[in-house]
Amino acid sequence: DQQVKQNSPSLSVQEGRISILNCDYTNSMFDYFLWYKKYPAEGPTFLISISSIKDKNEDGRFTVFLNKSAKHLSLHIVPSQPGDSAVYFCAASPLVFNKFYFGSGTKLNVKP
Amino acid sequence: NAGVMQNPRHLVRRRGQEARLRCSPMKGHSHVYWYRQLPEEGLKFMVYLQKENIIDESGMPKERFSAEFPKEGPSILRIQQVVRGDSAAYFCASSASVDQPQHFGDGTRLSIL
Repeated sequence: DQQVKQNSPSLSVQEGRISILNCDYTNSMFDYFLWYKKYPAEGPTFLISISSIKDKNEDGRFTVFLNKSAKHLSLHIVPSQPGDSAVYFCAASPLVFNKFYFGSGTKLNVKP
Repeated sequence: NAGVMQNPRHLVRRRGQEARLRCSPMKGHSHVYWYRQLPEEGLKFMVYLQKENIIDESGMPKERFSAEFPKEGPSILRIQQVVRGDSAAYFCASSASVDQPQHFGDGTRLSIL
């Protein structure tokens, strides 16, 4: 029962361009969403979050967009840098429970 | 991932042995979560604990797996009579409260021979 889906297992982008990572969810009870970045042999690192009362949250080069009606969120990285190359996971939770459901990840490769 | 400490980083066990995974949360965090990641998959929630209490264990297998977070000391995830299917990366996360992001440790990679 995959409640959070990342349908693109990988993405390749040129340095300086925009990276757009997508995530879809099925549970309408989710109201808190996060993006994590993960390097090999390390734990996920928190990047950015958004609650369901917003449709956009920005932090430096990272912007998360939430479309509640479509049950879709995306992470934009502008400009992309080689150091951004990692696996990106989206996660969602009903806020009151704080139990996160993770997507299967998208491996981003930013080419110099 | 400074702050959440997991040990050991790698653990090798033979089938039928016990595995104990430890997690020390970030300073000031009293909420601890355990996740399991199988190869090529995302993290799957296992259990959520606060000090001395299990809040949600809906992701834990019903048998062989247990977790605790004592008043003093780290949180422990215990797997008894391990089987090959238990081979995975086990991640611990902690947060200061339910409305704060969870911060992860670097995980314990469990291999069953």
